[in-house]
Amino acid sequence: DVKVTQSSRYLVKRTGEKVFLECVQDMDHENMFWYRQDPGLGLRLIYFSYDVKMKEKGDIPEGYSVSREKKERFSLILESASTNQTSMYLCASTSTITGETQYFGPGTRLLVL
Amino acid sequence: DAKTTQPPSMDCAEGRAANLPCNHSTISGNEYVYWYRQIHSQGPQYIIHGLKNNETNEMASLIITEDRKSSTLILPHATLRDTAVYYCIVDGTASKLTFGTGTRLQVTL
Repeated sequence: DVKVTQSSRYLVKRTGEKVFLECVQDMDHENMFWYRQDPGLGLRLIYFSYDVKMKEKGDIPEGYSVSREKKERFSLILESASTNQTSMYLCASTSTITGETQYFGPGTRLLVL
Repeated sequence: DAKTTQPPSMDCAEGRAANLPCNHSTISGNEYVYWYRQIHSQGPQYIIHGLKNNETNEMASLIITEDRKSSTLILPHATLRDTAVYYCIVDGTASKLTFGTGTRLQVTL
């Protein structure tokens, strides 16, 4: 079974704090993704990575950065958290095989006060 | 422009088949149809995907029309645990899926 894990299910931070969200997958997948999900807006892609040390901006990268130092780990960083970054954050991974699916982690619900 | 169109909500009685439609009239030849679902407060779960042939697995069946402009996800015997938001997505690979707002399926007793 593919497993994608995220470091926290729930997180509460204060405005201006630096926040790290960690994601680990155990299937040796090349591709990893960070989404955020907000009511009425569906899932929106923040950043993705096709390989170690590679990153690409998604649809809403502003206010976020990422790090992929190891193949199995993809970190999302909020340099200075703001209240509009309160959201559910979802990590996913997939292989490069055409037609392969994305596997998601359980999500991190972040509240920025 | 959205690549897929789904009804915002549907109801289904427990034990009955749930048929969830999806329109993807601009699908191109190399794009797959993926279905995911998301149960409240959990990450999306993969259900099934296909290119042009109908597909079946232990969770569901996927029927794709011959012109590939629409598809239907079938849950043959819906249970209360199938209550979720169902997403239909078309893409050439799974590398950059775009999720819309999906169909909220409510299974009732």
